[in-house]
Amino acid sequence: DAMVIQNPRYQVTQFGKPVTLSCSQTLNHNVMYWYQQKSSQAPKLLFHYYDKDFNNEADTPDNFQSRRPNTSFCFLDIRSPGLGDAAMYLCATSRSVLAKNIQYFGAGTRLSVL
Amino acid sequence: AQKITQTQPGMFVQEKEAVTLDCTYDTSDPSYGLFWYKQPSSGEMIFLIYQGSYDQQNATEGRYSLNFQKARKSANLVISASQLGDSAMYFCAMRLSSNTGKLIFGQGTTLQVKP
Repeated sequence: DAMVIQNPRYQVTQFGKPVTLSCSQTLNHNVMYWYQQKSSQAPKLLFHYYDKDFNNEADTPDNFQSRRPNTSFCFLDIRSPGLGDAAMYLCATSRSVLAKNIQYFGAGTRLSVL
Repeated sequence: AQKITQTQPGMFVQEKEAVTLDCTYDTSDPSYGLFWYKQPSSGEMIFLIYQGSYDQQNATEGRYSLNFQKARKSANLVISASQLGDSAMYFCAMRLSSNTGKLIFGQGTTLQVKP
């Protein structure tokens, strides 16, 4: 059974039209991450939540926001998608930020911007 | 600066043979974890194997083993008895016990298994 679930698997949006991607987990992990992965590149961390504490990466554009209403769910909001935001978005969870804890990923949401 | 380097953009292996995927890392932090993930064309990032910086023995998980050479800062993945389903992108990643715990990924190696 999937432990980190991302919806939808594929999302098509129009240039400038806000879009929300969803992630849920059944692992009861404290930390949830959002990564952006463009074609043929390595994933790049956008931000993460440790419990309710939001931590933004320094180079994450303001266009990207996140919400974590409870332990199980985390959302990625793209306020005004541009063509350059077309990518795979991966959600991951981890028990803590310690090096030994495994990050478990969802299946990803592939975002297209028209 | 923390960095992961995978020097093989693409690799081929014959079905049932073993293959080694290279990974070197750079960090001055004494406590770190090294991970390998498999990403099929569907996009999901699948955890394969973990090695801690203080672990004395090389990690093994089924057909996967990690050849950890700390002095050389290398963490190569060995896949034994390759199967067609092993065809995918493979990422080596490092995690420090920092305040983010984020994964630092290499650029990946595409593995193709030939029948």
